[in-house]
Amino acid sequence: NAGVTQTPKFQVLKTGQSMTLQCAQDMNHNSMYWYRQDPGMGLRLIYYSASEGTTDKGEVPNGYNVSRLNKREFSLRLESAAPSQTSVYFCASSAGQGFGMAFFGQGTRLTVV
Amino acid sequence: AQRVTQPEKLLSVFKGAPVELKCNYSYSGSPELFWYVQYSRQRLQLLLRHISRESIKGFTADLNKGETSFHLKKPFAQEEDSAMYYCALSGYNQGGKLIFGQGTELSVKP
Repeated sequence: NAGVTQTPKFQVLKTGQSMTLQCAQDMNHNSMYWYRQDPGMGLRLIYYSASEGTTDKGEVPNGYNVSRLNKREFSLRLESAAPSQTSVYFCASSAGQGFGMAFFGQGTRLTVV
Repeated sequence: AQRVTQPEKLLSVFKGAPVELKCNYSYSGSPELFWYVQYSRQRLQLLLRHISRESIKGFTADLNKGETSFHLKKPFAQEEDSAMYYCALSGYNQGGKLIFGQGTELSVKP
């Protein structure tokens, strides 16, 4: 009963380094999302994928890229990490139809120094 | 503009006291409203959604379309209720594309 699984859980990067956050869901959901969580700002949508083969920008897409590898997997890439990208990143999935609810992964705590 | 506002950053109450976490929203259309809870360093979990009209862990929330509010209430707070609470909304066919409020940290003291 895994639900939404993210890797890694923690990561420290130096400014300018790149990395990919991985996310997989086993609920056969059509839609997947990446959010970042910052104190006092709630969660903000970075990118989302309404269905396999499609991706769209959310509220804060700058500095990120995504890949919807297949229906299960949705990765988030930081090409050149900056200290402003220090945050907790959450992946989520939903059926995407009607008023469906979202299920969240356990989060990735990223620090860029 | 689509927006969710939680006016309180921190709410501190004593065990057994009533709790009300405020949430106001702005949305053109008929959104679905949610309350998510995040216990210390854990993933977000759905607490309530307005269309299900159920009570979870003693919490209830009523959608007031006139006041565009979706306040979360519990008559008697417990220490284990201490957590971060987020109000969020989504549109039809956008179930995971959520707009979140800033969050309210609830601290229940013994």
